[in-house]
Amino acid sequence: RKEVEQDPGPFNVPEGATVAFNCTYSNSASQSFFWYRQDCRKEPKLLMSVYSSGNEDGRFTAQLNRASQYISLLIRDSKLSDSATYLCVVKGLGTSYGKLTFGQGTILTVHP
Amino acid sequence: GAVVSQHPSRVICKSGTSVKIECRSLDFQATTMFWYRQFPKKSLMLMATSNEGSKATYEQGVEKDKFLINHASLTLSTLTVTSAHPEDSSFYICSASSAGGLYEQFFGPGTRLTVL
Repeated sequence: RKEVEQDPGPFNVPEGATVAFNCTYSNSASQSFFWYRQDCRKEPKLLMSVYSSGNEDGRFTAQLNRASQYISLLIRDSKLSDSATYLCVVKGLGTSYGKLTFGQGTILTVHP
Repeated sequence: GAVVSQHPSRVICKSGTSVKIECRSLDFQATTMFWYRQFPKKSLMLMATSNEGSKATYEQGVEKDKFLINHASLTLSTLTVTSAHPEDSSFYICSASSAGGLYEQFFGPGTRLTVL
């Protein structure tokens, strides 16, 4: 089983749509959780951290369920510029505290 | 956020040659740098963790004699791919962090390596 698993998509949605991405992780000892976005041929960029209480940043809402080892990202009112690959990332696995483990990414395309 | 640079951004080399990639933190002291590799349509995979002034810690399956990492200063880490082969062609990305990776990792823009 992969350490961090995501639905690879692709998701194709019209502008203005709401889209949700899911992610599961296998190690219950994981410490921190993040969503990154990666544009084609670019480095990943931190979108937001994910907290147990749930957190929101503008049109983006992240949720964490530690009991189910499940993370989600909701994007409301999608924009063309939201088109990217969204990476679910877990920190604190293995022997390296700082180690980030990436999911395979979910591809989102927002069309006019 | 902090700025991390990588050089070169793209390199094409012949099979059997060695390629050195530099990762620099431009505006903070990076006690820890991480090296990742990303194959097409795959996710980033951590190759090794390097702490300034000490030997790198390699992930399982990554050959330390093939991927030489040096982290001699708080602002510079290098990855040398020795005797590169076509299967080493990939996108290599570094990240830098302070406090042993406790805080946010800032990613470099990546180096695209193509081995002919």
